[in-house]
Amino acid sequence: DAGVIQSPRHEVTEMGQEVTLRCKPISGHDYLFWYRQTMMRGLELLIYFNNNVPIDDSGMPEDRFSAKMPNASFSTLKIQPSEPRDSAVYFCASSLGNRDHYGYTFGSGTRLTVV
Amino acid sequence: AQKVTQAQTEISVVEKEDVTLDCVYETRDTTYYLFWYKQPPSGELVFLIRRNSFDEQNEISGRYSWNFQKSTSSFNFTITASQVVDSAVYFCALLTRDYGGSQGNLIFGKGTKLSVKP
Repeated sequence: DAGVIQSPRHEVTEMGQEVTLRCKPISGHDYLFWYRQTMMRGLELLIYFNNNVPIDDSGMPEDRFSAKMPNASFSTLKIQPSEPRDSAVYFCASSLGNRDHYGYTFGSGTRLTVV
Repeated sequence: AQKVTQAQTEISVVEKEDVTLDCVYETRDTTYYLFWYKQPPSGELVFLIRRNSFDEQNEISGRYSWNFQKSTSSFNFTITASQVVDSAVYFCALLTRDYGGSQGNLIFGKGTKLSVKP
């Protein structure tokens, strides 16, 4: 298995532009999570999906952020318009159910820089 | 409230020294899971270990060992005979059983940066 795949690995964009981050979870995993990592706040959950349905988006910082999961093998996190304070590493993770809690498998992350 | 505290922000040791990374957690749930992840300089998050709240047995994996004590709500991680390749940020994390609640997610501590010098 190729693991959780995120793209792009690095993104540099200008303030005000739209940014789309992409994630392909591990095949068969039914939970998908988006995390953001910053020096100030550490790793924080933005949103998670179960069977493609958003379950908890209380961590999404504001309306400029949106996430979708149109099918079991793809999710996007969109920021529109982007701001310098959105600069962070964004991780996608997937897991299998809530029965065994084997932990999450994380992607390599997308390092976003908004200038 | 669920919370994970890693009081040590940074630790620096010399190669071959033993080092212990502390983790203290808070939860009211009786069923929960604890994890350690490693984040090397390359940035990815690597799963190291998972422990459930009913299993207090210590675990050893090569140079790594974990000490889970429910009485003190601690889940400490020890690296024996540290190596330069162990240099990374280590995160302790807590997961409660149900995903249904708004806090039903993997909650991370702030991490401990370990530097192992040759």
